Amino acid sequence: AQSVTQLGSHVSVSEGALVLLRCNYSSSVPPYLFWYVQYPNQGLQLLLKYTSAATLVKGINGFEAEFKKSETSFHLTKPSAHMSDAAEYFCAVSELRDDKIIFGKGTRLHILP
Amino acid sequence: DSGVTQTPKHLITATGQRVTLRCSPRSGDLSVYWYQQSLDQGLQFLIQYYNGEERAKGNILERFSAQQFPDLHSELNLSSLELGDSALYFCASSVERGGGNYNEQFFGPGTRLTVL
Repeated sequence: AQSVTQLGSHVSVSEGALVLLRCNYSSSVPPYLFWYVQYPNQGLQLLLKYTSAATLVKGINGFEAEFKKSETSFHLTKPSAHMSDAAEYFCAVSELRDDKIIFGKGTRLHILP
Repeated sequence: DSGVTQTPKHLITATGQRVTLRCSPRSGDLSVYWYQQSLDQGLQFLIQYYNGEERAKGNILERFSAQQFPDLHSELNLSSLELGDSALYFCASSVERGGGNYNEQFFGPGTRLTVL
């Protein structure tokens, strides 16, 4: 069965510092992996996705993530945090043979001035 | 704007009542998915319809049901509402049924349901 574990329900970084949000997945077959962002009182927006092409995936707003099969990880990074990055971030997985997306519990990112 | 619309935006009702949430997919999308976001359970998949037929079921309660109409819009019906049903309900749509190729799901803005 697929599952996603996000380490840290809250992460705080200073403006301009590196953002690192951790995600580990479990899947019996090659997965599709996603990061979604949810700004306060808004819906879900796809940041980036891995669908078995390049292992380093670049997304919107300067975010990127690297698929590491040996570590079953898909951590999200951004070199320099901006105040506008404050939001909740969800790592998610789905499988080739299935359509439903399984979400992690989410990590709320706080940006300190 | 994802192109997926959901109505109403907010819904406040009482325990024991029944409500209907509506979703219009992006033009041309045949698959509709429903997700529930609650404080207790997080974001979880409820059910998927493809071109009018139920395709996959997740953690959907028996008190909940859904359907997809010939014009491809979908409705999620929630009955005998309990306090714990208070949540944000998202609809998403994609072009095809998946199960072999990646089909991106586009999410609507959600309907916030409050059960008092």
